[in-house]
Amino acid sequence: DAKTTQPTSMDCAEGRAANLPCNHSTISGNEYVYWYRQIHSQGPQYIIHGLKNNETNEMASLIITEDRKSSTLILPHATLRDTAVYYCIVSSYNTDKLIFGTGTRLQVFP
Amino acid sequence: EAGVAQSPRYKIIEKRQSVAFWCNPISGHATLYWYQQILGQGPKLLIQFQNNGVVDDSQLPKDRFSAERLKGVDSTLKIQPAKLEDSAVYLCASSRTGMNEQFFGPGTRLTVL
Repeated sequence: DAKTTQPTSMDCAEGRAANLPCNHSTISGNEYVYWYRQIHSQGPQYIIHGLKNNETNEMASLIITEDRKSSTLILPHATLRDTAVYYCIVSSYNTDKLIFGTGTRLQVFP
Repeated sequence: EAGVAQSPRYKIIEKRQSVAFWCNPISGHATLYWYQQILGQGPKLLIQFQNNGVVDDSQLPKDRFSAERLKGVDSTLKIQPAKLEDSAVYLCASSRTGMNEQFFGPGTRLTVL
């Protein structure tokens, strides 16, 4: 079973920041938070991951709370191409296993 | 670098028939995964290979599903005989050893009538 809780769906205006929350209250000390997204009719795509520090790459930023029980994925300037299902996954770094939940369906509108 | 390749992209069969899917992972990726994604759900891991050995096949319905990765590169997933509930997208992914950044192929959409 997935160990994360995400809203079923969210909307965001194009050009605005999209903030996608994720709860992972049972996360263990050696578990990372991973984010993937899946655009319609494509396979999932890795976005970012983190342990306890905030992370940023060319796609997004990941903010993890100090107690590590929740996190937020931030797409700073959402575009229509960011419309997708976003999955938040908790996993130990060396287990190579990802357990997907049902994710958050993000709709970016003009 | 080239991505994960899968074929066919679509397949329609009748129940009780057989079907096979093929996957070519990214060059140098030792770990290969097969996932099943039913409409409206997230992908579910069926089997994980490390080179040509099986690491985890606990979710693979072994009475009808089989998979192999004979030379540690390409892999095939077979269903025999297919059931209606096998209708899904079958995704192949690969990663470097010990890395949870998995690269996914486009998937094969299977419809069982």
